[in-house]
Order: sequence, then C-alpha cells, then structure tokens
Amino acid sequence: KNEVEQSPQNLTAQEGEFITINCSYSVGISALHWLQQHPGGGIVSLFMLSSGKKKHGRLIATINIQEKHSSLHITASHPRDSAVYICAVSPYNFGNEKLTFGTGTRLTIIP
Amino acid sequence: KAGVTQTPRYLIKTRGQQVTLSCSPISGHRSVSWYQQTPGQGLQFLFEYFSETQRNKGNFPGRFSGRQFSNSRSEMNVSTLELGDSALYLCASSPAKESRGTGELFFGEGSRLTVL
Repeated sequence: KNEVEQSPQNLTAQEGEFITINCSYSVGISALHWLQQHPGGGIVSLFMLSSGKKKHGRLIATINIQEKHSSLHITASHPRDSAVYICAVSPYNFGNEKLTFGTGTRLTIIP
Repeated sequence: KAGVTQTPRYLIKTRGQQVTLSCSPISGHRSVSWYQQTPGQGLQFLFEYFSETQRNKGNFPGRFSGRQFSNSRSEMNVSTLELGDSALYLCASSPAKESRGTGELFFGEGSRLTVL
C-alpha cells in the first residue's frame, strides 16, 4: 500500500463545476504539498500546508491532520485547469529531503 | 527573479553511456532536490542537497549520483545507462531553512532523457 493515495485517478467534468481531489496518507507529516503538472511536464507548486486551509484564487486546499487527509477544491472550473494534480508529503521531523508522492489525479475540464 | 533552469531539456543516449544533468536554482535558494518521473512509477524522489550536503537519497542504485556546488547549482549523473532510466528528470529548489527543511518547491521544466 502506498504511503500516499489519491482519488480519483481520473476526473472529467464540465466547465464551471466544483472539483474535489482527495489525498490520504498513512504517516505523520510535517507538510503536504499540492502540485499541478500540465502536459509537457512542467510542475507548479499550488500549496504547501501543515494545518487548516489555504486559498488562492479559485483553488482551496484543506488538511485534517487527525484523519490524515487533504482535499484540493477548484471552484468554477475552467478548461485551463485541465492538468494532473499531485499530492506529496514530508514525514514528521523531515522536510523536502524525504518527499513521497501520490500517483496523481488527471483532471479534464470540458468546455 | 529567474526561475529554476535545467539543462539540457532533451537528450538521447545509448545503453552503457553516462549522462550529466544540470540545475540552476532560484537565487538565494540553498535546497535543491531531484526527482525522476516515469509513466510506470510516477514521481520518485532521487536526492536532496542543502548547502552542498546531500541530506537524503531515494531508493535508487549507486549509478545515480549528484552534487551541489557552492553557488547552489546542482548536477546529477547517471552512469552505465539502462533502458529503464528513460524518464523526465525534474529539479526543484526551495527556500527551506537549515533548521526546518520544509519549504515551497519551485520546479524546473525538466530534462527528458531517452535511452536507446
């Protein structure tokens, strides 16, 4: 069993829909990262969080430390949001030197 | 502020050869990490450097090595290339401080290696 599990693996939605991507992990963590990867390979860091909730534009990330679960929400989704979204965690007492990645969620937004 | 720069962007090698990839981090970032991405295994951590010291290495054979220079630029080397080493190699820099290794990651565009 992977330390980091994401769901769903693939998600197709209509433009404007509210999107939720989930990440569950099995170890205590110091931080959780949400990353976005567009076709062609470039990866952009969306959020780094260790508690609570963060918001940036139409994106919201939440984390529940007790339940070992995080969600990434996209409001008013747009075709440009089509990408692979990847969750990564640093175990407790470690930082970026020990990151474990989920397998990613491929999101497709249809106009 | 310039982003993370990786060179070369694309390269083709044959089995048995070696390859060196370069990563120039964002100015002021002392942490540089490397990742391998393949369709089958996804993203996997290779190693991380902070101020010229390798702080951790992922589960990769000794053919994979790296180093970081005093200006924080980093190189990774893969010797005796195998077909399975074909992958996208990504580098990320971070403003992580020494006392707390966690920091936001800034990725380069990657170096896509094909081994024939």
